[in-house]
Amino acid sequence: AQKVTQAQTEISVVEKEDVTLDCVYETRDTTYYLFWYKQPPSGELVFLIRRNSFDEQNEISGRYSWNFQKSTSSFNFTITASQVVDSAVYFCALSEQNTGNQFYFGTGTSLTVIP
Amino acid sequence: DAGVIQSPRHEVTEMGQEVTLRCKPISGHNSLFWYRQTMMRGLELLIYFNNNVPIDDSGMPEDRFSAKMPNASFSTLKIQPSEPRDSAVYFCASSYAGVLNQETQYFGPGTRLLVL
Repeated sequence: AQKVTQAQTEISVVEKEDVTLDCVYETRDTTYYLFWYKQPPSGELVFLIRRNSFDEQNEISGRYSWNFQKSTSSFNFTITASQVVDSAVYFCALSEQNTGNQFYFGTGTSLTVIP
Repeated sequence: DAGVIQSPRHEVTEMGQEVTLRCKPISGHNSLFWYRQTMMRGLELLIYFNNNVPIDDSGMPEDRFSAKMPNASFSTLKIQPSEPRDSAVYFCASSYAGVLNQETQYFGPGTRLLVL
């Protein structure tokens, strides 16, 4: 079973629109960690955010914000006022305390921001 | 601070040849991961090491793949013999894993492998 589901395979938005990338996870652990990574066209994987299961406080970093809801097992990522440079594939990942250091990655959402 | 370093960045080889990919993790990190990324299969974990010891190699496709970590600052992923279906981007990542904490994995730039 997929531990991390990113149901949106591809999304296209026009520049300056807001966009939300969905991430749903599955775990039985009470202690776990959630991550988002960005993979721009150049190919590298860039870390964006880490959240632990005890911290449900939403986070905002500039135009980026993350909404963590344990009740729905979701960790969604919103980009406000999107820009062309936001075009990338975004990956959500889960790490469980009881399964060591392994990360479970979603299949990624490809975001295209149209100028 | 230097990030994860991978070499080579690009490799083109012919079927049957041996390929060796190299990785230098971030200094102080004690966990190292090898991933493979393809369009068809996405990002796959091949193997990971903790304190230089292989912990889980269940993702290694077959016996043609092997990985070593002789010390805390170096790891190799070897494919012998290589096949066209091995063509992919291979990422190395490292993290610091404490007893309780799952720390962030930081990725190298990747090695783009093309097997003809």
